[in-house]
Amino acid sequence: DQQVKQNSPSLSVQEGRISILNCDYTNSMFDYFLWYKKYPAEGPTFLISISSIKDKNEDGRFTVFLNKSAKHLSLHIVPSQPGDSAVYFCAASGQGAQKLVFGQGTRLTINP
Amino acid sequence: ETGVTQTPRHLVMGMTNKKSLKCEQHLGHNAMYWYKQSAKKPLELMFVYNFKEQTENNSVPSRFSPECPNSSHLFLHLHTLQPEDSALYLCASSQDFSKDYGYTFGSGTRLTVV
Repeated sequence: DQQVKQNSPSLSVQEGRISILNCDYTNSMFDYFLWYKKYPAEGPTFLISISSIKDKNEDGRFTVFLNKSAKHLSLHIVPSQPGDSAVYFCAASGQGAQKLVFGQGTRLTINP
Repeated sequence: ETGVTQTPRHLVMGMTNKKSLKCEQHLGHNAMYWYKQSAKKPLELMFVYNFKEQTENNSVPSRFSPECPNSSHLFLHLHTLQPEDSALYLCASSQDFSKDYGYTFGSGTRLTVV
């Protein structure tokens, strides 16, 4: 049973436009959500996070939105840049658990 | 060196071989993890170590054997693997559980079983 799902395996966006990556979860006990970015031949690196007490967190070009009632979060990147081309993983944790549950990733390609 | 270092970066092994993956972290973290990344699948948690003690084994086959001699080093011993075990194996570490940043990952070992 996959608790964190990224239903779009890939996304292609033109440079300068907005990229929107989506993530759904099933476990209502999750209370913290993170996005990681992964380049080929490298490990995932932390990008941005959000606590369940918030519905939005912004860091520069990156904004994460959380809709608890829909059990849905999204990552917005604006404006998109070629260096944003990578695989993006959504992750979640709950009740202080020292364990992250990951989605399967979305490959984002930014076209010049 | 800083961060989480994994060696080797690439490994090709036969099904009858025995090999080990190594992970080292220089961040002073007290928890370390092994994850498996297969194509088009979520990162799968394999093992969790907290202060050198294994706190989670996520139903991993016994052909994978972890070892954590201290809080800075983590090994994954491999023997009699199957071709379907070919994947990217990622090590990560964290300080308790920093909810701000989650884990710090290494670059992974790309394992191919032939």
